[in-house]
Amino acid sequence: QVQLQESGPGLVKPSETLSLTCTVSGASITSYYWNWVRQAPGKGLEWIGYGHHSGSTKYNPSLKSRVTISVDTSKNQFSAKVSSVTAADTAVYYCARWHSGFNALDIWGPGTLVTVSS
Amino acid sequence: EIVLTQSPGTLSLSPGERATLSCRASQSVSSSSLAWYQQKPGQTPRLLIYGTSSRATGIPDRFSAGGSGTDFTLTISTLEPEDFALYYCQQYNPSPLTFGGGTKVEIK
Repeated sequence: QVQLQESGPGLVKPSETLSLTCTVSGASITSYYWNWVRQAPGKGLEWIGYGHHSGSTKYNPSLKSRVTISVDTSKNQFSAKVSSVTAADTAVYYCARWHSGFNALDIWGPGTLVTVSS
Repeated sequence: EIVLTQSPGTLSLSPGERATLSCRASQSVSSSSLAWYQQKPGQTPRLLIYGTSSRATGIPDRFSAGGSGTDFTLTISTLEPEDFALYYCQQYNPSPLTFGGGTKVEIK
């Protein structure tokens, strides 16, 4: 059974960098594209971007200048960094697997709430 | 960027009734890239439909979906108590991947 688990700081100060990690179990991280999606309180879903073990990445243009996603095959983990955060980056951050056969996000982590506040 | 507009924002129905949710794209999207997700309060989104009309694993057949081009629909034939939730459509082709704003199906 494939499971994803996010880990994050919980609280980040404005202007700092938010770092998130997603640990993948039950599947090889080399077989899929790995995504980050966020949801601000009471709001809808926003795609952040994806990473692939080959080094390929793609980002939401609205966040592209502030986001870096990387994949660590040795740990079966992938990560996201969001720089220069503001209160608008307060959200639940989900990691999710992109299944190319479905062209959809088929497995999601439970999410981790990150609050940006001084 | 493709904007997905979901309507209505809220659908108030009773168990046993039929729900029809709309997702309209600002320009044509690939049918293979249109998906629907269900999210219950405090829970993770769950894939319901992929490729416009294919049900994901374990999704009951009361959920059906279709459409093409810019207009897509999710139908729940007979609402069960566990179906009252938020529903999002999503497309990825053309890039970037975008979600609709969601439709809340609430108990009347």
